[in-house]
Amino acid sequence: NAGVTQTPKFQVLKTGQSMTLQCAQDMNHNSMYWYRQDPGMGLRLIYYSASEGTTDKGEVPNGYNVSRLNKREFSLRLESAAPSQTSVYFCASRTGFAGELFFGEGSRLTVL
Amino acid sequence: GQQVMQIPQYQHVQEGEDFTTYCNSSTTLSNIQWYKQRPGGHPVFLIQLVKSGEVKKQKRLTFQFGEAKKNSSLHITATQTTDVGTYFCAGPRDSGYSTLTFGKGTMLLVSP
Repeated sequence: NAGVTQTPKFQVLKTGQSMTLQCAQDMNHNSMYWYRQDPGMGLRLIYYSASEGTTDKGEVPNGYNVSRLNKREFSLRLESAAPSQTSVYFCASRTGFAGELFFGEGSRLTVL
Repeated sequence: GQQVMQIPQYQHVQEGEDFTTYCNSSTTLSNIQWYKQRPGGHPVFLIQLVKSGEVKKQKRLTFQFGEAKKNSSLHITATQTTDVGTYFCAGPRDSGYSTLTFGKGTMLLVSP
């Protein structure tokens, strides 16, 4: 089993460009999450999907949109990238509302 | 909103020395989780504590949950170079269970 798979692993964008980060899990988990990690800031929740068909804002949702395409896939879209969105993005999933989070390997995004 | 604070932010020890990181919440937690992130890697779940005053051990790692369920600690006995990384605590966000709020983490460096 691959667990949680994120693509791409690295991306460089220019200010104003758009892109989508893809995430897929093969563990039949209901809940999926997008976090960003910046130096000294820990992990901050951007958006989450508690179950297929639902999405909700986290702590830092501005500038992002998400789509829960099906139970396996949860994508994060930057419509107009800004330098402040330079970060490492982690997708995570878990069975329900409790229990451990399984993280993907991360996507390192640089916005110039 | 709920905050989860960790101290210290950074610690550098000699191999064989002990290490402790502390986690404090502004609100009572139903449970607390601990994660480890190796340099360049992704967070990996270590343990979950649920009961007031709970103590759990994993080899050289000892985890404690405070009696008031507002603080927790991770203690590593006789550190090894393989312990290098950032340790995060995380608690359920606000009163809900569906998301986790992470502390900013404690970065541990171990010199041989």
